[in-house]
Amino acid sequence: DSGVTQTPKHLITATGQRVTLRCSPRSGDLSVYWYQQSLDQGLQFLIQYYNGEERAKGNILERFSAQQFPDLHSELNLSSLELGDSALYFCASSVNGRNTEAFFGQGTRLTVV
Amino acid sequence: QKEVEQDPGPLSVPEGAIVSLNCTYSNSAFQYFMWYRQYSRKGPELLMYTYSSGNKEDGRFTAQVDKSSKYISLFIRDSQPSDSATYLCASANQGGKLIFGQGTELSVKP
Repeated sequence: DSGVTQTPKHLITATGQRVTLRCSPRSGDLSVYWYQQSLDQGLQFLIQYYNGEERAKGNILERFSAQQFPDLHSELNLSSLELGDSALYFCASSVNGRNTEAFFGQGTRLTVV
Repeated sequence: QKEVEQDPGPLSVPEGAIVSLNCTYSNSAFQYFMWYRQYSRKGPELLMYTYSSGNKEDGRFTAQVDKSSKYISLFIRDSQPSDSATYLCASANQGGKLIFGQGTELSVKP
């Protein structure tokens, strides 16, 4: 167990809908990262927050947004969902903002039907 | 062309074999090289982390980086059925985002 908690574990929703994925980082970790893993694209970095502020952005669609709250938990919001958004979404956290030292959660499996 | 290329396999070996997993990368600025292990339906777990070129050993695992050929390798000695998983290589430059390979699915047969 990495100490990073993601909820829910599974989510099934219809196209056009909006969902929120939640991540609680390891105790003491200030930085949170979101990744998307799909069969065709592999594991791709979406966005990073450090102590509540956005630090880096990757291949995140405009329909997706994220935030990190004062208690350091983070949420990833996915809207106007399409079939192609079906994937595993991982959250990772690190204490110092170095992505090379991040620990991954177990992921949320999103299925869009 | 992807910045990090990895043969997806699958790779099947008998228990006790030496496993060689490889990646190539294209960005000369990459300085950090990682190997992750991912069991089915689980999150990636960091196995090995190397800065710049050279070898790093941890138990049965050895990571090698050859920056001149932009080649990253992971060797697993005395492979066990519990090593069956997908192995992901990843690279990054200073302060940059992690770029992952597609992952190689490894199966170690008893």
